Amino acid sequence: GAGVSQTPSNKVTEKGKYVELRCDPISGHTALYWYRQSLGQGPEFLIYFQGTGAADDSGLPNDRFFAVRPEGSVSTLKIQRTERGDSAVYLCASSLQGGWSGANVLTFGAGSRLTVL
Amino acid sequence: AQSVSQHNHHVILSEAASLELGCNYSYGGTVNLFWYVQYPGQHLQLLLKYFSGDPLVKGIKGFEAEFIKSKFSFNLRKPSVQWSDTAEYFCAVRGNDMRFGAGTRLTVKP
Repeated sequence: GAGVSQTPSNKVTEKGKYVELRCDPISGHTALYWYRQSLGQGPEFLIYFQGTGAADDSGLPNDRFFAVRPEGSVSTLKIQRTERGDSAVYLCASSLQGGWSGANVLTFGAGSRLTVL
Repeated sequence: AQSVSQHNHHVILSEAASLELGCNYSYGGTVNLFWYVQYPGQHLQLLLKYFSGDPLVKGIKGFEAEFIKSKFSFNLRKPSVQWSDTAEYFCAVRGNDMRFGAGTRLTVKP
């Protein structure tokens, strides 16, 4: 597509529930990134994929968070047993190439706002 | 890993005033530097970037930033702001991963 698409744009859930957030990157972009932005903060890195594999998942806060990208395109961020502290905007970005070096520029989606009651 | 500091949390200016937003980072290796902007209700957009070469980089909408390696800084500047520049501005540093500052909210009064 023309840009990075994220669904849903808003998700309200109850504490303890399971949530899935979806990201559809720019067509042809091999790398996909997940960030989390809490109120009043900058984006915080969670995980990035190069193709189908997670190249760097050092930002995932704990084992309740998991992400997949089975066909190297669309990715799903999965959060189990949600907690109120998980409330944030979850941002997805993609880039033509992967990695933390070189001339990579991340293009961001509009984000999925998650509210855990 | 690197860290990024944006010291100004909220800046209020009148139209035509000059702007400088501070960004400092800590990292011992080679870095790539970015400024992103988020207009109200919109997603993060790239304003400008520095990879190598001339430390003074020019971006969209009249913005520029200067990389001063000795000061670990990458301050954003604009000589004359407009009401439409009202937005949140994020500095980002890429070293062994990509980290963002907490952001600076800019309000430009008409």
